[in-house]
Order: sequence, then structure tokens, then C-alpha cells
Amino acid sequence: NAGVTQTPKFRVLKTGQSMTLLCAQDMNHEYMYWYRQDPGMGLRLIHYSVGEGTTAKGEVPDGYNVSRLKKQNFLLGLESAAPSQTSVYFCASSFTGKETQYFGPGTRLLVL
Amino acid sequence: GIQVEQSPPDLILQEGANSTLRCNFSDSVNNLQWFHQNPWGQLINLFYIPSGTKQNGRLSATTVATERYSLLYISSSQTTDSGVYFCASSQGGSEKLVFGKGMKLTVNP
Repeated sequence: NAGVTQTPKFRVLKTGQSMTLLCAQDMNHEYMYWYRQDPGMGLRLIHYSVGEGTTAKGEVPDGYNVSRLKKQNFLLGLESAAPSQTSVYFCASSFTGKETQYFGPGTRLLVL
Repeated sequence: GIQVEQSPPDLILQEGANSTLRCNFSDSVNNLQWFHQNPWGQLINLFYIPSGTKQNGRLSATTVATERYSLLYISSSQTTDSGVYFCASSQGGSEKLVFGKGMKLTVNP
């Protein structure tokens, strides 16, 4: 099992450009999450999904969109990147909302 | 929403020492989890511990939900224990985890 994987590992964008981050899990988990990690801030939840075809807002959803068309994939989109979105993005998954979350390796995004 | 406070924010130990990390919560908790982020950035789940005590090798954790805190014990620390430790929990029926700001542990040889 690969667990949770994220693509790409690192990306540089210019302000206003768009991109999509891909998260994939092979553990048949229902729940998937997108977090961002900034220095001194811990991790903050952006969006999450409780199953295929569902999405919900987390703590810091503005400027991001998500889609869960397949159970194993959770996509995070930035339509018009801003320097404030420079961060490390982590995807996670779990069987239910009240169980251990398993994290991917992270995507480092720099917006110039 | 729930507030999560971790202490101490930083800790430096010599190899072989023991340590206790504490997490306080502003409200009743469930879904409490401890994570270790290694120096390469990987986040590993250490414990899922909404209440009670669990042990895994040199690590153990205790959550006293009624008093709104959790403790992570590291015994006989090793240099590989270095990194940042996070606790996180959700409130009530929510599935959304709220993370503390982390505690940086440095274990020197």
C-alpha cells in the first residue's frame, strides 16, 4: 500500500495563476482532508470530504475549491493564486471522522 | 471553536532523558490525536486517544477528557525523536480536527 500520496511535491506559481493539487489514497477511506501548514500556526483545515461526491468547508476555505469525484482522490484547486497562499499543503484520510488520520508527504507551494 | 494549547513550546534534551508534553483544551474533547512531524516534514500519527492511556514502545499517552488535557510521555529519548509534536482534537460531534501550534523537541546525542 502506498498510503496517502500527493502530487506535486513542490510548485512555484506566479500571482493569479491557477493549479490543482492531487491527493490519492489506497486505504478505502471515506474521509479525506486538506490542511495548510504555516510557520508557528500548526495545521489548519481548508476543506474536507466525508465520502465520494461530498465536500465541506473547514477553518480557512477562502480562495480554494475542492472536488471528490472518486473515493480515492481528493483535489484541491487554487483558481487565482495569491502570495498569502504560500504554504505547505497536507492531505489526510481516515475511515471515519473519529479515527486516526493518515497524512501524505505534503506539497510545498510558493506563490510569487 | 475549541482552542488547543501545547506546552512547552520548545524542549531540548540529552539522549536518554524523559519528557512530558502537555495539551490543554478550552472545551470538552473527542477524537484526540497526537502526531509527530519529523525534520523532513512527514506527519506520523502516534496515538488516537480520546480517553484513557495507551502505550507504544517508549511512548505513552494519557487523556483526561473530564479535565480537558492530554499528556504525551517520551522515555529514554533518542535523536530520532526530534521534530515537532502536535496534538489535535475536535469538539462535540464535529469531524474537524483543530491542531495546537506544536512543540519542537530537539534531542542531542
